[in-house]
Amino acid sequence: GENVEQHPSTLSVQEGDSAVIKCTYSDSASNYFPWYKQELGKRPQLIIDIRSNVGEKKDQRIAVTLNKTAKHFSLHITETQPEDSAVYFCAATTNYGGSQGNLIFGKGTKLSVKP
Amino acid sequence: KAGVTQTPRYLIKTRGQQVTLSCSPISGHRSVSWYQQTPGQGLQFLFEYFSETQRNKGNFPGRFSGRQFSNSRSEMNVSTLELGDSALYLCASSLDGKSSYNEQFFGPGTRLTVL
Repeated sequence: GENVEQHPSTLSVQEGDSAVIKCTYSDSASNYFPWYKQELGKRPQLIIDIRSNVGEKKDQRIAVTLNKTAKHFSLHITETQPEDSAVYFCAATTNYGGSQGNLIFGKGTKLSVKP
Repeated sequence: KAGVTQTPRYLIKTRGQQVTLSCSPISGHRSVSWYQQTPGQGLQFLFEYFSETQRNKGNFPGRFSGRQFSNSRSEMNVSTLELGDSALYLCASSLDGKSSYNEQFFGPGTRLTVL
């Protein structure tokens, strides 16, 4: 089955700096890669996602890149702000049986943005 | 639109007991997935239900089971509880889980503590 590795497990940056989180996946059939942000005590929320037919996607200060050949994808946050502090999870899934409800998550990256 | 709701929010059980958790998806959503979140293992996929049928299953023992009702509400059951079952159990719903355009929305979770 699919396995997703996420690095680093913790990341501390100064406000205004960029942050990069990297994930690798094992199943070449995976075709959907969402990123979730989870603030302390709250539910995970989707911040950006990318499909296997796209190499890069950007939404304001957040961007995701996908390298299908190398089977890795990355989250880039520019101009970080203290409110970006949270745990970020990458995930991958394949459309087996017409379903994409089986997200396989990385173990998360705790991002701390220092003012 | 109301978000995904889960009941109860907190549960304390003892080893050997069984527990039932409930999830009400966003109105109109037909796919419900369940995840177990622990500090050590992160978010792990349990199973996904669609139209009252289990469509995908993760690598959890048979003590973990679930079902979905005709109104898309879902329950999960854990029998013969073990200490290691202590976790935050999250459910997520999506429109039909078939398309990569169907974002999964998470509920607030049920915090289960096994003593």
